Amino acid sequence: DTGVSQDPRHKITKRGQNVTFRCDPISEHNRLYWYRQTLGQGPEFLTYFQNEAQLEKSRLLSDRFSAERPKGSFSTLEIQRTEQGDSAMYLCASSLTTGGARTLFFGSGTQLSVL
Amino acid sequence: SQQGEEDPQALSIQEGENATMNCSYKTSINNLQWYRQNSGRGLVHLILIRSNEREKHSGRLRVTLDTSKKSSSLLITASRAADTASYFCATDNYGQNFVFGPGTRLSVLP
Repeated sequence: DTGVSQDPRHKITKRGQNVTFRCDPISEHNRLYWYRQTLGQGPEFLTYFQNEAQLEKSRLLSDRFSAERPKGSFSTLEIQRTEQGDSAMYLCASSLTTGGARTLFFGSGTQLSVL
Repeated sequence: SQQGEEDPQALSIQEGENATMNCSYKTSINNLQWYRQNSGRGLVHLILIRSNEREKHSGRLRVTLDTSKKSSSLLITASRAADTASYFCATDNYGQNFVFGPGTRLSVLP
């Protein structure tokens, strides 16, 4: 499968624990995005990388959220000291430029439940 | 805050009917895209329309864009039960990020 891969698909954790999600983008895509989606809402932008550089991180929801993309390949999103309000679907996408326009290719997401 | 706003929030139609969804946005854009999401899955790109285009077709999909009104519409013709999903518009704000609206939940009844 050469699509965007996210792991795990589901994560259940207790309040106060740290969690880390992984995203493997399509190999030739240089941009990688993280979004959060709550039930009945559209994806909410969190951060994005171009290669290994994190170009926008001001939308990360709090300083408990951090993301990395070492070597410009896979990326991780970490949430420290999880809260119940962090329960959501976390989506990763990578992008390709075609004819001067970018389109997003999404993974299936990681569903986080904080108890 | 989200820039795109879809209308209606939910739409229920019979198979074979056409479905129209609308999207409004607030700032200037490079292009506008429509995505589809089946329950519990990631989003899938459907169609892109550039800011200098007014209409675009792809199979049973027709998208229009009115930059003076900052609005777009997605028409799905001859709908099928398999078209049941949530549909989102997303604006490309000149390569910085993509801003999604809250989506339209379409139910196509057999």
